[in-house]
Amino acid sequence: QPVLTQPPSSSASPGESARLTCTLPSDINVGSYNIYWYQQKPGSPPRYLLYYYSDSDKGRGSGVPSRFSGSKDASANTGILLISGLQSEDEADYYCLIWPSSAYVFGTGTKVTVL
Amino acid sequence: QVQLVQSGAEVKKPGSSVKVSCKASGGTFSNYAFSWVRQAPGQGLEWMGGIIPIFDTPRYAQKFQGRVTITTDESTRTVYMELSSLISKDTAVYYCARALGFGEFFDYWGHGTLVTVSS
Repeated sequence: QPVLTQPPSSSASPGESARLTCTLPSDINVGSYNIYWYQQKPGSPPRYLLYYYSDSDKGRGSGVPSRFSGSKDASANTGILLISGLQSEDEADYYCLIWPSSAYVFGTGTKVTVL
Repeated sequence: QVQLVQSGAEVKKPGSSVKVSCKASGGTFSNYAFSWVRQAPGQGLEWMGGIIPIFDTPRYAQKFQGRVTITTDESTRTVYMELSSLISKDTAVYYCARALGFGEFFDYWGHGTLVTVSS
């Protein structure tokens, strides 16, 4: 079972940007997969935010603000979620998700705190 | 409007089994992939397995092979997850989630079912 590594926590002030990473193991090439991102607030199920495969193949979920965007850093084998113009309502846990080898794998999750 | 309504909380003894249901309403049912995802207290999300009703062939995460059974009842638009040989570490909220197919994103989620395993 591969492990997708996310930093446990991230914090930023309102209006700043938060850059969340999801690092894949070396035997799984980030360039080959859709990276899905979810937001989860306490007591609620996860909410789908977006997917990113490439600049020409990406999409946001229904009602998700454009300040949420995805990208990849191939050199670091990492998927990235960027939250621009951070708002207090963005305080939540964030998970990445991929589908390698016919099984879903979630990232370890990042708790975002809005200072 | 799509809704996934799950069965209520359960308290189980170690060694027993639990069966959680997820009833789908709105939209089509048979062509979608329904998965079960669990979350232990204070922990992350973990995919257990899933099924596409029209094919009725479940896929399971390796970790749960032999211990989890996912089934569907198309007549009632319900998906079931049964987990056996429960241990305390199985205490978690269990979610059902829908995707267009395996490998696609989960667009709708159930509200979650808390399963507590305690002697």
